[in-house]
Formats: sequence, structure tokens, C-alpha cells
Amino acid sequence: KAGVTQTPRYLIKTRGQQVTLSCSPISGHRSVSWYQQTPGQGLQFLFEYFSETQRNKGNFPGRFSGRQFSNSRSEMNVSTLELGDSALYLCASSFGHQNTEAFFGQGTRLTVV
Amino acid sequence: AQKVTQAQTEISVVEKEDVTLDCVYETRDTTYYLFWYKQPPSGELVFLIRRNSFDEQNEISGRYSWNFQKSTSSFNFTITASQVVDSAVYFCALSEARETSGSRLTFGEGTQLTVNP
Repeated sequence: KAGVTQTPRYLIKTRGQQVTLSCSPISGHRSVSWYQQTPGQGLQFLFEYFSETQRNKGNFPGRFSGRQFSNSRSEMNVSTLELGDSALYLCASSFGHQNTEAFFGQGTRLTVV
Repeated sequence: AQKVTQAQTEISVVEKEDVTLDCVYETRDTTYYLFWYKQPPSGELVFLIRRNSFDEQNEISGRYSWNFQKSTSSFNFTITASQVVDSAVYFCALSEARETSGSRLTFGEGTQLTVNP
């Protein structure tokens, strides 16, 4: 059974640009959550999608957005990139909407220059 | 608001030593879930265990064991006879059971474990 797949693995962008990251969950999983990991702030929850609907959102500015498709694949978008957006972005896949084990992908390392 | 604290930033041990990673949590909910994840250098968070707040029975799985004590809001993790491959960052996490929380995890700061040969 394939795990959670995130693409691309590495990305370098310039300030002011926008970026789209992709996550394919484990087959049969309907919940996808996104997290940002930085040395200063640690692991922080961005948002969760379940059945194509955003169910929960963390404390991030509106520049961070996401969506989920009917096949449960999810994308997150960051517009008007800032240097502080440099981070490892992790996607987590769960079978259900609540409190089930979350399985993570290897992440996308975004560097903003 | 929920919070998870891992007071140990870094731990360094010699192979075959036992090591305990501490985790203390705060939540106002009576129903919640606790997790431990391991993050090797590759970056992927690897799920280790999930416990719910109603189940205080401690668990042993191979060289891993977990000690959940609701009275002290702690969920500690012990590795017995550590190995070099155990070197990683370990995260404790909390998820509240309310509908609005969904699968949202609140993570601790992480503990960097280094096992030296």
C-alpha cells in the first residue's frame, strides 16, 4: 500500500511569488491535513480537508489556502511568498475526520529567497 | 487551549542504554487522544502510538513502552536497550475529541535523541 506522497520534495521560490504544493493521501483515506514545520515555531497546523471541505483551520494568514479534490488529493497554495514562509510543509492522511492515526508524507522543503 | 510540552530538547545516550522521553500536556477536554511520532532525518513523521484519555493502561511494544498518567497529565515514552537507528526527533502530540477539532494535532517542541555507538 503506497504511503502519503508529496510533490515536489524541494522548491526554491522568490519573495512575492506564489507556490502550490501537492499531497496524495493513502488510498481510502479521506482526510488530509497540512502542517508547517520551522525551527522557531515547530510543527503548526495549517488546515484540514475532509470530503473536499475545509473542516478546520489554524492561525495562518489568508495567503495560505488549500483545496481537496474528489479523489482526496489535496493542494495547498501560498501567495505573495515571504522569507518567513521557508519551511518544511508536511501533509498528513487519515481515514476518518476525527482523532484517527495520521500518516505523514516526507514533506516539501520550501525555501524563499 | 491545548498545549504539549516536551521539556527535554536534546538527549544523548550510548547504545543499549534505556531512555525516557517526557511529555506533559494541557487540555480542558475530558476526552482527548495522545500520540507519539518519530521524525528521522528524512523528514517524514512516523506514527508510533495513539492512546485515548479513557485508557490509562500502559503499553509495551517490543523495545518501546508508554506510561500514561492522567493524574499528572503525562504521557512518557521509554526506549529500552536503545540502538543507533533510534536516533531521531520524537514528538508528542494531542488531539481533542470535539467535532470542531477534527484530526488537528497539537505538537510538542520535540526531543532530539542521539544514540551513540
